[in-house]
Amino acid sequence: AQSVTQPDIHITVSEGASLELRCNYSYGATPYLFWYVQSPGQGLQLLLKYFSGDTLVQGIKGFEAEFKRSQSSFNLRKPSVHWSDAAEYFCAVGRPDSGNTPLVFGKGTRLSVIA
Amino acid sequence: DAEITQSPRHKITETGRQVTLACHQTWNHNNMFWYRQDLGHGLRLIHYSYGVQDTNKGEVSDGYSVSRSNTEDLPLTLESAASSQTSVYFCASSYKPGQGDSVEQFFGPGTRLTVL
Repeated sequence: AQSVTQPDIHITVSEGASLELRCNYSYGATPYLFWYVQSPGQGLQLLLKYFSGDTLVQGIKGFEAEFKRSQSSFNLRKPSVHWSDAAEYFCAVGRPDSGNTPLVFGKGTRLSVIA
Repeated sequence: DAEITQSPRHKITETGRQVTLACHQTWNHNNMFWYRQDLGHGLRLIHYSYGVQDTNKGEVSDGYSVSRSNTEDLPLTLESAASSQTSVYFCASSYKPGQGDSVEQFFGPGTRLTVL
């Protein structure tokens, strides 16, 4: 079965600084990969997704993520963080080779932004 | 616009009572999911459905049940609410592979349930 690890439970960055959130997965082939964001009191919103092709994917709100097969990683990046980016971020993995199975989510990384 | 809604948004109930949380989607998605979110545990899958009359157990299904009588709705029932079921519950839906161009899940706004 696939699994997802987000090693950082909580990250604090200064406004305007760059950001990288880590995501590692365990799966035998190239999975579907997703990053979701959850603002306080809200549901989850899709930031970006990777299915195949170009390993650098662009998402909404200025985020990007890079799929690295050799490292089984799909890290999320943003060059300059805004205070409104403070939220919980979830990485998720899907299995393209096994038909219809639920996504598996990491436990999330909480991002705090300081002035 | 298509959407996924949950009701109620907040619910307080007593131990032992039966509670039903509603989830309704207008995406015409075959797949629907229920998660609970607790601090330190992230999202944990409770039950899911791949279509009408289909239901499957997730990793934390004990004490919960679902039924799928139509495409749009997947209500979650707590048969006898326990304090350990105090949580935030999220419903999600998705296309199945081949039904649409993506298998990403779309989430509802959540229901905060408190069991006293």
